[in-house]
This record gives sequence, structure tokens and C-alpha cells, in this order.
Amino acid sequence: AQKVTQTQTSISVMEKTTVTMDCVYETQDSSYFLFWYKQTASGEIVFLIRQDSYKKENATVGHYSLNFQKPKSSIGLIITATQIEDSAVYFCAIRPGYNKLTFGKGTVLLVSP
Amino acid sequence: GGIITQTPKFLIGQEGQKLTLKCQQNFNHDTMYWYRQDSGKGLRLIYYSITENDLQKGDLSEGYDASREKKSSFSLTVTSAQKNEMAVFLCASSLGLGSSAETLYFGSGTRLTVL
Repeated sequence: AQKVTQTQTSISVMEKTTVTMDCVYETQDSSYFLFWYKQTASGEIVFLIRQDSYKKENATVGHYSLNFQKPKSSIGLIITATQIEDSAVYFCAIRPGYNKLTFGKGTVLLVSP
Repeated sequence: GGIITQTPKFLIGQEGQKLTLKCQQNFNHDTMYWYRQDSGKGLRLIYYSITENDLQKGDLSEGYDASREKKSSFSLTVTSAQKNEMAVFLCASSLGLGSSAETLYFGSGTRLTVL
């Protein structure tokens, strides 16, 4: 069975700075997909970015990027030039092959002006 | 684009009561999911369905039933509501388990309160 651990319960940063959220995972599978989702204050959950385990290059989408360290089973989410609207809960998740998605407990990000 | 609609948004029930949550999606997705979100515990999978009339148990299925009578809808029944079940229930859909790296699309949730 797979497991996802997000050790940071909450992070506070100033606007326009860069923040990194940690995530480590466990899986027996050699091929898997890693995801980050964002849950806003309204409760809406949206997909942000994905990393495929067989790809060495880190995924980047807009001001989101990933720091994929496969030997450490780590997939950090980096948000550059943070904005107030980035304040949310961020979930890391893993899906080995075609199995179901497993989520971490989430990290609350608060961006202050 | 599409949307996932969950009804009701707020559900208040009595302990021991049978309660049903509904979810509709117009993405034409094959796979649908029910997740439970408790404060500080992330999202835990209750049931999922890979196609109409299919049901698969997740990690938290005890105490719940599900129904997928149409491709577009997926219902979850709390068979006997308990006070420790107060949580937000999230419905999601995705293209299908046959698709690699699929993205989940979520509804806005049903907040359950048990008195």
C-alpha cells in the first residue's frame, strides 16, 4: 500500500516570496504518478501539477514547480512569487500505475501582504 | 468544461439515521469517487466506481453504501449516521482508470452534521 506524508502542518510567508512544501511518499511500485492539489477557503479542490516517476526533469506549470528527488521519495512543491490568493491547503498525492489516488494530510499556506 | 454538482451542500441528520448524498457530473467521465475529509486528516477514499453499475470499496467503506445507476451520477449512503462522522464528503470524477496520470475533478462538497 502507498503512503504520503506532509510533515508541515502550516506555513506562513510574505507575499512575493518563494515557498517550498515538502512531501515524502512510500510505494512498492516502480512506476507512479505524483500530484499536487490545492483546496481554497471555499472548499474547492483543483489540480495543480503532476510529476511522472519515469521523468527526470521537474514539472513546471506557471509559478508552480516541483522538486522531484526520487532516491529520497520526495516531491516538493515550490511556489515562486507567492500571491495572497495562493493561501490555501495543499495536498500531495500518489497514484501507482492504475491504482487509486492516495492523499497526504495537507499543508496550510498563509500568504500575508 | 464540465462541472460536478453535489447535493445537498449541508446535511443535518440524527444519530442512527440513514442519509444519502448525491453527485452529478457532466464531464462524461467513467470513474467517480467519494472521499471523506476530516479536519487535519486529508482525504480518505470511501468508494469509487469505474463505470456504470460498478462499485469498488475504498479504505473507509464500512458504514457506507454507494450506487452508480447512471454514468453521470454517483450516490453515497451513510447507513447509520454516527456523531464521529461529521465531515465534508467530496465527490470527484476522472476520465477513467485506463488513462494514465488522470486528473481528478472535485465537487464543492457536502458538509455532514450529526446531532
